[in-house]
Amino acid sequence: EPEVTQTPSHQVTQMGQEVILRCVPISNHLYFYWYRQILGQKVEFLVSFYNNEISEKSEIFDDQFSVERPDGSNFTLKIRSTKLEDSAMYFCASGSGSRTDTQYFGPGTRLTVL
Amino acid sequence: EDQVTQSPEALRLQEGESSSLNCSYTVSGLRGLFWYRQDPGKGPEFLFTLYSAGEEKEKERLKATLTKKESFLHITAPKPEDSATYLCAGAGGGAGNMLTFGGGTRLMVKP
Repeated sequence: EPEVTQTPSHQVTQMGQEVILRCVPISNHLYFYWYRQILGQKVEFLVSFYNNEISEKSEIFDDQFSVERPDGSNFTLKIRSTKLEDSAMYFCASGSGSRTDTQYFGPGTRLTVL
Repeated sequence: EDQVTQSPEALRLQEGESSSLNCSYTVSGLRGLFWYRQDPGKGPEFLFTLYSAGEEKEKERLKATLTKKESFLHITAPKPEDSATYLCAGAGGGAGNMLTFGGGTRLMVKP
């Protein structure tokens, strides 16, 4: 069964450093998303991406964040200058061809900012 | 602002003891209500999508229902392997199909 994959599974970084989280969505999907979950808190929406552009973003997704689909298979989230409060589990999700369609989530990348 | 609230926060059941999890939502222009299962340290795993009030979906011991204000996840004769956190999420009317998640119900099923 096709699934969303994410790398790395765990990333440790120093405050102020740039990190890139990588995702390979399900191959025929057209909608891509990033969410995050701070330990013990709700899953929070960051951004959605369709047709090579951001279609919606939350207040969390400020100028420190960016997304890119550099090729036909990868979808990345970059945090330019990490802060302690960026420590969280980051989930990538993808959906097929409809705005009402199910979003399938990857296993997540645990980001720890020291 | 869209809101999704789940109750109870935690639920302990004996194996075979049926119960229901509640999800109350205020989501503008709701286009879908989703249920996911999340195991510790893992990503949400899709269970059901409900699109309109009155709709029901079933899968093994789980049944999800939807009204105009709430959704329920009914668990019939649960087993220890059903222990997980169950998440409810609503997709609203925005351009990007953003999901608004509830805080989840942590279910523990004792043998």
